[in-house]
Amino acid sequence: AQKVTQAQTEISVVEKEDVTLDCVYETRDTTYYLFWYKQPPSGELVFLIRRNSFDEQNEISGRYSWNFQKSTSSFNFTITASQVVDSAVYFCALSESGTYKYIFGTGTRLKVLA
Amino acid sequence: DAGVIQSPRHEVTEMGQEVTLRCKPISGHNSLFWYRQTMMRGLELLIYFNNNVPIDDSGMPEDRFSAKMPNASFSTLKIQPSEPRDSAVYFCASSSAGAVNQPQHFGDGTRLSIL
Repeated sequence: AQKVTQAQTEISVVEKEDVTLDCVYETRDTTYYLFWYKQPPSGELVFLIRRNSFDEQNEISGRYSWNFQKSTSSFNFTITASQVVDSAVYFCALSESGTYKYIFGTGTRLKVLA
Repeated sequence: DAGVIQSPRHEVTEMGQEVTLRCKPISGHNSLFWYRQTMMRGLELLIYFNNNVPIDDSGMPEDRFSAKMPNASFSTLKIQPSEPRDSAVYFCASSSAGAVNQPQHFGDGTRLSIL
């Protein structure tokens, strides 16, 4: 069965700290896709990244980086030098091969304090 | 480029009234989704259209809910009659290439409150 677990319900950090949001997934497929979305207090859902199961290279985009490890079924998201504007709920999602459906995690609320 | 456009952003209405939510997908995207987000249930997929045709409506809660996509640039989600338990944020999302494993791009959502 497919499942996405974001065990951290809420995280609070002080501005400029680094923070890692965990995402652990379950799937029987060998081909699948993983996504991260950001939902700021204004409410919209913003697409951040898509990664397929054959690409285990870490990805960096500015202060954001993603660590994909198939061996531990994890796709963790790190924000370096966090800023108040990073405060949001972050969702991890899984899509198995050949499907349009996402399995969303329950989200992690990140609070970055000034 | 314009993203997914939803209207209204907020809707407050009384129980029993008809509610219509609107969505304009990203131009060129051929897949459209309606989601509902609540604290209790998180994000739930209500219905999925591909090339204006409803492919999967298994998430539609009951007959009070209906969705249409009369053309590639417009979709509606209607609730009639509305009930307080329908209060939620409703998102529309669109995607390209049949949506298979593609990123879904979400609108800003409609926050619906049924009194």
